[in-house]
Amino acid sequence: EIVLTQSPGTLSLSPGERATLSCTASQTVSNNYLAWYQHKPGQAPRLLIYAASDRATGIPARFSGSGSGTDFTLTISRLEPEDFAVYYCQQHGASPYTFGQGTRLEIK
Amino acid sequence: QVQLQESGPGLVRPSETLSLTCTVSGGSISGYYWSWIRQSPGKGLEWIGNIYDSGISNYNPSMKSRVSISRDTSKNQFSLNLSSVTAADTAMYYCARVGYYYDSSGYSRIWNYFHYWGQGTLVTVSS
Repeated sequence: EIVLTQSPGTLSLSPGERATLSCTASQTVSNNYLAWYQHKPGQAPRLLIYAASDRATGIPARFSGSGSGTDFTLTISRLEPEDFAVYYCQQHGASPYTFGQGTRLEIK
Repeated sequence: QVQLQESGPGLVRPSETLSLTCTVSGGSISGYYWSWIRQSPGKGLEWIGNIYDSGISNYNPSMKSRVSISRDTSKNQFSLNLSSVTAADTAMYYCARVGYYYDSSGYSRIWNYFHYWGQGTLVTVSS
């Protein structure tokens, strides 16, 4: 199975700053099928990005995904107060579909 | 917008079967693909399995011998059964609708990201 490692574990930034979150796979992700989710306590996780760079319906343009092969990045261009949450990557190219351990984005 | 709600016992005894139901509103479960995912402190997020529009299921090999996912289209629900549970099965359990795309022939094909999620239900395995 593909192991996904996210870095950093915690990212402390201020509103208005740019956030860069990384996800590294233990082997090539088939067709670059990598997704990103945002999760806030007590809420349902929200799909942000799929297939590495396709934004899900209704997701603001400040969220963008990039990368290929084993290295992927989620970028939030200008942080809004509501963006502080935990972010997970997930590969959807090969069963079993696996997740990273998460990056906590906190207010500095 | 489609909404999902998990329900079931919050406490299950070791060696018994964990049974959860996901009720879907805002749309039919027919024609789509559905999934169960769990999150435990020890293992993070873990995909459990999918059920397809055909009714066929696909499971994570790590739990395949203990898992069953089924659906009831008349109730717009799908369900998870996990047998022979231990403390390691203590987790927040989520149901989700799986992403899909249309191929060149116009058929929907599963695309295994998780588009819509429920809020989750906490299940504790303890005597």
